[in-house]
Amino acid sequence: AQSVSQHNHHVILSEAASLELGCNYSYGGTVNLFWYVQYPGQHLQLLLKYFSGDPLVKGIKGFEAEFIKSKFSFNLRKPSVQWSDTAEYFCAVNALFGNEKLTFGTGTRLTIIP
Amino acid sequence: NAGVTQTPKFRILKIGQSMTLQCTQDMNHNYMYWYRQDPGMGLKLIYYSVGAGITDKGEVPNGYNVSRSTTEDFPLRLELAAPSQTSVYFCASSILLGVDTEAFFGQGTRLTVV
Repeated sequence: AQSVSQHNHHVILSEAASLELGCNYSYGGTVNLFWYVQYPGQHLQLLLKYFSGDPLVKGIKGFEAEFIKSKFSFNLRKPSVQWSDTAEYFCAVNALFGNEKLTFGTGTRLTIIP
Repeated sequence: NAGVTQTPKFRILKIGQSMTLQCTQDMNHNYMYWYRQDPGMGLKLIYYSVGAGITDKGEVPNGYNVSRSTTEDFPLRLELAAPSQTSVYFCASSILLGVDTEAFFGQGTRLTVV
């Protein structure tokens, strides 16, 4: 079964700082990878996703993530964060072929200080 | 387009009471999911369904039941509420994970068992 690890539980940054949130998964086969964001009091929204092709994917609001297959990683990045990026970020994985489940990491709470 | 609709948004139950969390989607999605979200634990899959009449257990099914009589609806039933079921519950739906799509989430139901 697949699993997802997010090692940063709470990250605090100042506005304009660069961001990188770690995500590692464990599964030997082909996977689909996702980053979801949950703003305070709201539901989860898709930030970006990787299915195939270019391992560097760009999402909404200036976020991007790089899939490194050899490291089983899918880290989320943003060059310059804004106060409005304060939210909880979840990495998720779905094993391709024969598995309908989407497995989430424990989440990273991001706090941006103005 | 309403997407995924959950009701109620908030509910307080007494220990031993029962209730049904409603979830409806209008996107004609085959797959539907119920997750619970607890602080620091991410999202845990309770039950999922790959189509009308078909349901399966996720990671944490104990204390819950589901049914899927139509494509649109996927209610979650708590028969004997326990304090451990205090959580935020999210319903989600997708076409078919693994075919360049993603899961769409409802707004959540915050349940407190006292």
